[in-house]
Amino acid sequence: GAGVSQSPSNKVTEKGKDVELRCDPISGHTALYWYRQSLGQGLEFLIYFQGNSAPDKSGLPSDRFSAERTGGSVSTLTIQRTQQEDSAVYLCASSLATGGVPEAFFGQGTRLTVV
Amino acid sequence: GQNIDQPTEMTATEGAIVQINCTYQTSGFNGLFWYQQHAGEAPTFLSYNVLDGLEEKGRFSSFLSRSKGYSYLLLKELQMKDSASYLCAPVNDYKLSFGAGTTVTVRA
Repeated sequence: GAGVSQSPSNKVTEKGKDVELRCDPISGHTALYWYRQSLGQGLEFLIYFQGNSAPDKSGLPSDRFSAERTGGSVSTLTIQRTQQEDSAVYLCASSLATGGVPEAFFGQGTRLTVV
Repeated sequence: GQNIDQPTEMTATEGAIVQINCTYQTSGFNGLFWYQQHAGEAPTFLSYNVLDGLEEKGRFSSFLSRSKGYSYLLLKELQMKDSASYLCAPVNDYKLSFGAGTTVTVRA
């Protein structure tokens, strides 16, 4: 596609349920990021995939959070046993990290509300 | 690790100039981005500096001093639509780390 696509755009879930958020990066982009943004706050880094390298998971807040990137393309962020503090906008970005300007292009985000 | 510092809020008048400072300490450095984020929207690219000096792009300019770990974003001829959050993002090995952002409010 022309840009980074995320689905769903909105998700309301009950506390304790698992959720899966999907990110479809720009074709050919080797780097993919997940960030979390709570209301009025900055972007909190979660996880970074770069090509075939082991992902940088240093930002994942707990072991309830995990992410995969299949075939170097689509990524899924999974949150198990959701808590109310997980409510935020989850942003995915991708970049062509092979030289030049490594600009990260963002999707529109998934707004997660845990009730 | 990353340590990125920028002011939380700034207010300016339409037509004026505002300078947003960013200081950073990173374990490696490959450049620095500035992004703009309007409320409820995704961040969008504004500028990228990899060498020391000033990069000018219309009403927006960005400056970098690598030795000082310092950058600024200069917004000239402010317009109401420039009211947004401005995010400083140093790059280390292609990984972007974002500051908390500076909310700029433009008043008539």
